[in-house]
Amino acid sequence: AQSVTQLGSHVSVSEGALVLLRCNYSSSVPPYLFWYVQYPNQGLQLLLKYTTGATLVKGINGFEAEFKKSETSFHLTKPSAHMSDAAEYFCAVSETDTGNQFYFGTGTSLTVIP
Amino acid sequence: NAGVMQNPRHLVRRRGQEARLRCSPMKGHSHVYWYRQLPEEGLKFMVYLQKENIIDESGMPKERFSAEFPKEGPSILRIQQVVRGDSAAYFCASSPAFPGAQPQHFGDGTRLSIL
Repeated sequence: AQSVTQLGSHVSVSEGALVLLRCNYSSSVPPYLFWYVQYPNQGLQLLLKYTTGATLVKGINGFEAEFKKSETSFHLTKPSAHMSDAAEYFCAVSETDTGNQFYFGTGTSLTVIP
Repeated sequence: NAGVMQNPRHLVRRRGQEARLRCSPMKGHSHVYWYRQLPEEGLKFMVYLQKENIIDESGMPKERFSAEFPKEGPSILRIQQVVRGDSAAYFCASSPAFPGAQPQHFGDGTRLSIL
């Protein structure tokens, strides 16, 4: 069975500072990995995804994530935080052999301090 | 190109009533997923459907909850005899015929409040 762990349910950064949101997964098969963002009273929007190929993937709004198989991690980063980045972020994994269900982490709430 | 459409956005029910939540997937998507999100919690998978078939309902409570995705029309999540604990945001997502590498696309959710 797959599982996703997001360390830190709440993260605060200053505007302009580095954003680092952590995600670790467990999987018995090569995973597909995703990061989603959720703004208040809205659904989830896809930020980026890793399927195959280059392990550093770039997404929207300046975010990127690196798949590290040896560490079973897929941490999300952004060099410089903007006030508009304040939101809830979810990491998700799906299986490559069936791929029919996503497993979501419990989310990390990002606060950006002016 | 419309995204995933959920309605209503907000639904208020009294205890014991029925709640019906609707989801129209993105055009060309034949897979639908329902999730529940409680305050300060993540997304909990409920059920995965294809047209006229329930593929995985392992996250669905055994009683009072049901889901369908008919050949024609939207997917419906039905909650009978609602209780206070059913208050939550319910999200629908859809994906193309070959999921896995394809991301799930989410609607804006239905926020269910039980009085």
